[in-house]
Amino acid sequence: SYELTQPPSVSVSPGQTATITCSGNQLGNKYVCWYQQKPGQSPVLVTYLDTKRPSGIPERFSGSNSGNTATLTISGTQAMDEADYYCQAWDGSTEVFGGGTKLTVL
Amino acid sequence: QVQLQESGPGLVKPSQTLSLTCTVSGGFISSGSYYWSWIRQPAGKGLEWIGRIYTSGRTTYNPSLKSRVIISVDTSKNQFSLKLSSVTAADTALYFCARDAYSSSANWFDAWGQGILVTVSS
Repeated sequence: SYELTQPPSVSVSPGQTATITCSGNQLGNKYVCWYQQKPGQSPVLVTYLDTKRPSGIPERFSGSNSGNTATLTISGTQAMDEADYYCQAWDGSTEVFGGGTKLTVL
Repeated sequence: QVQLQESGPGLVKPSQTLSLTCTVSGGFISSGSYYWSWIRQPAGKGLEWIGRIYTSGRTTYNPSLKSRVIISVDTSKNQFSLKLSSVTAADTALYFCARDAYSSSANWFDAWGQGILVTVSS
């Protein structure tokens, strides 16, 4: 079965750039989206179709996807961005989620 | 602004069938512009997609759960439902319903319910 691999945790200082990766075999040939989930809340879509951003999502969130790695970049990270982040893609038979990355802003 | 709300029993006995309903408000489930999905999350763990339904009734299921899952839609009530049979403790999770947008051979979940915790225990 297809797997998406994310680092369990990423730390960033406020105001700096956070980079969260999602790796999978030939992932660049698939479309990837990203979700943010804060404790006790439902996930929120932050990017889709690799690079698109839903209305209401701040411009500091951006996505990219090439080769075997998709990346969520948060520029000028704020304390409110501290959350779990999940990538998602379709593997041809099922939607697959990455294991999630806990972003700590400290 | 579309809203989704899960409902159903919070406790199910092992070997029985888990049944949940998602009620959609602020939009018509029959509009045809979206699929409708179920996703679950065990406590402290990641997300697992269960399956989706289109308003025509066409369904796609996660192969790992396909033998136990039925998703149906009731457009007259603006609801869609999940049935998961022969449950075990491994099915204990927070269950979300979600609106499932699509384009260019890709899907993404752009609206989620608040989730409902289902515990499988005798």
